[in-house]
Amino acid sequence: ETGVTQTPRHLVMGMTNKKSLKCEQHLGHNAMYWYKQSAKKPLELMFVYNFKEQTENNSVPSRFSPECPNSSHLFLHLHTLQPEDSALYLCASSQVAQGVAEQYFGPGTRLTVT
Amino acid sequence: AQSVTQPDIHITVSEGASLELRCNYSYGATPYLFWYVQSPGQGLQLLLKYFSGDTLVQGIKGFEAEFKRSQSSFNLRKPSVHWSDAAEYFCAVGNDYKLSFGAGTTVTVRA
Repeated sequence: ETGVTQTPRHLVMGMTNKKSLKCEQHLGHNAMYWYKQSAKKPLELMFVYNFKEQTENNSVPSRFSPECPNSSHLFLHLHTLQPEDSALYLCASSQVAQGVAEQYFGPGTRLTVT
Repeated sequence: AQSVTQPDIHITVSEGASLELRCNYSYGATPYLFWYVQSPGQGLQLLLKYFSGDTLVQGIKGFEAEFKRSQSSFNLRKPSVHWSDAAEYFCAVGNDYKLSFGAGTTVTVRA
């Protein structure tokens, strides 16, 4: 595997379900990100992990719970979601050193909440 | 706070014609600027980046972008578009470890 991988690629879940999204980066990076991409809206940064420590939580509802067990893996745990949470969820990673580094994205998980 | 504006929501261009996508940014210090492309059902792929130095930067797939500080712009160009360039394009400005993205421009290529 190369780059950033995400599983599953597609997920349909009811509002009472609990599911998890998985992201894995094979680039040796030290930072990982979760974004939400909805139609006709800019990418929304949800969470940032820098050296496994959460450094950003952009007022994301508690029904989204991130987990970063090590610098290569990132999870997004989902529970009691709402239909408006249906979107493409993108994971990214970067090597944070000096200045700003480019981010590398996975293919995303298309989530549909019914 | 940093922000990015992409004025064009949708652009249609003929195959073989030139393409220019506009990007304006708002940022107090020297910006780190990026262009990404997203094909349907895919994640974002980095086309090019500007950190410093030469204001004309070359990227992958024949794209280039020019940084103009006086206009707060970082427009993306390609001299001759191929059908495979049909996609959504995002401009982003970086601060520390975070990027702020524009809303994107969808490019349609007609034969």
